[in-house]
Amino acid sequence: DTGVSQDPRHKITKRGQNVTFRCDPISEHNRLYWYRQTLGQGPEFLTYFQNEAQLEKSRLLSDRFSAERPKGSFSTLEIQRTEQGDSAMYLCASSAQGTGGYEQYFGPGTRLTVT
Amino acid sequence: AQKVTQAQTEISVVEKEDVTLDCVYETRDTTYYLFWYKQPPSGELVFLIRRNSFDEQNEISGRYSWNFQKSTSSFNFTITASQVVDSAVYFCALSEAQSGSARQLTFGSGTQLTVLP
Repeated sequence: DTGVSQDPRHKITKRGQNVTFRCDPISEHNRLYWYRQTLGQGPEFLTYFQNEAQLEKSRLLSDRFSAERPKGSFSTLEIQRTEQGDSAMYLCASSAQGTGGYEQYFGPGTRLTVT
Repeated sequence: AQKVTQAQTEISVVEKEDVTLDCVYETRDTTYYLFWYKQPPSGELVFLIRRNSFDEQNEISGRYSWNFQKSTSSFNFTITASQVVDSAVYFCALSEAQSGSARQLTFGSGTQLTVLP
């Protein structure tokens, strides 16, 4: 079974441009998460999907950010009008729903640099 | 609100030494889960272990061991006979288990472990 994949791995964009990232979770996982990680910090939760429904969003997710998971499989995260403060690693994770602790498996991340 | 504190920002040891990474957490929930992840230089977070709040048994997996103490809200991680390949950033994380919650992870700020040859 393949793990979580993310595309692109790196993105350099100019301030004000829009960017979109893609995440493909582990195939049998119905839970999908987006996190953001800045240098020297742990990942911070952005949003969560259960199947195709976006059930929770962090206050970190400003209105310039939007995420979708249209068919309950892959997900996209779009950032509009990027700002330099958006430069970070964007991580996607997935987990299975069950009675356990819902350990999350992470993808390699997309590193965004806004110039 | 939940919080995870990893007070050790950086630790450096010589190969074959034992090293313990500290983690202290805060939560109001009675049911929660604790995790450790490893982030090597390649950047991908690797899941190491999950512990339930109602199971305080310590766990050993090869050179890795974990000490969970609810009385002190700590979940420490020990690497025995460290190796250069253990060099990475290690994150402790907490997930609360309320019904219907996203169960998102709250991470500490990580401990950079460097194992010198």
